[in-house]
Amino acid sequence: EAQVTQNPRYLITVTGKKLTVTCSQNMNHEYMSWYRQDPGLGLRQIYYSMNVEVTDKGDVPEGYKVSRKEKRNFPLILESPSPNQTSLYFCASNPTIAPGQGDSTDTQYFGPGTRLTVL
Amino acid sequence: RKEVEQDPGPFNVPEGATVAFNCTYSNSASQSFFWYRQDCRKEPKLLMSVYSSGNEDGRFTAQLNRASQYISLLIRDSKLSDSATYLCVVIPNDYKLSFGAGTTVTVRA
Repeated sequence: EAQVTQNPRYLITVTGKKLTVTCSQNMNHEYMSWYRQDPGLGLRQIYYSMNVEVTDKGDVPEGYKVSRKEKRNFPLILESPSPNQTSLYFCASNPTIAPGQGDSTDTQYFGPGTRLTVL
Repeated sequence: RKEVEQDPGPFNVPEGATVAFNCTYSNSASQSFFWYRQDCRKEPKLLMSVYSSGNEDGRFTAQLNRASQYISLLIRDSKLSDSATYLCVVIPNDYKLSFGAGTTVTVRA
C-alpha cells in the first residue's frame, strides 16, 4: 500500500530534550516536506527536500533540523524543543522534484500526523 | 498580507443545500491550485485540483479566477459526510506550498 508513515503519532516531552520524528514514504517520491498546523494559522511549511541531500527552509524553520540521507526517509529533529513548538506535525511527499508545474504531480500525500506537546 | 486567505466560516448548512466559498492568493505567478479536505485534525487529503477552465467532480465544482486571484469551491446537494475543513493550496513556481487556514463546513440533518 502506497503511504507516508510518521512516528511517533503522539509525544509529550519536556523543554530541551532532543527528539526526532521519523517520516517514511514508499512511493519513491522525490519531494518531501514537513508542516506544522496550529489553530487559525493553517499548515505552515517547516522544511522541504527536493532529493537526497537537498533540503531547504520553508516558512517556519527556526528550531528545527532535517536530513535526507535516503530517498524514502525525511526525519524532523528538534534539538532543544520549546513549548511554542507544541503543534500538530505532518510529513508529506510529492512525486515531482519541483511542485508548481500545474499538473497532477503537484499532489501532496500526507502522513497521519504527529501531535507533539512540549511542557 | 497572508499568501493564501480563506474565510474560516463556519458555514452551517442543511442537507441538500449548496454552499460555496473562496480562497484568495497574493502571488500572481502561482501555477497550481488545489482543494484539500481535512477531517478532525487528521491528515489533509486531496479533494480536487483546480484547472484554469474550471472543473467538476460529482457534486463539487472548482473555479479559478486569475484576474482577481481567487479560487472557489462549490458543493451541491450537501451531505452530512461533507462536514469537514476545506483547505486551499496554492503553489507558486518556487517549490514552496502555501496553505490557507481552512474553511469549516458543517452540514446538519
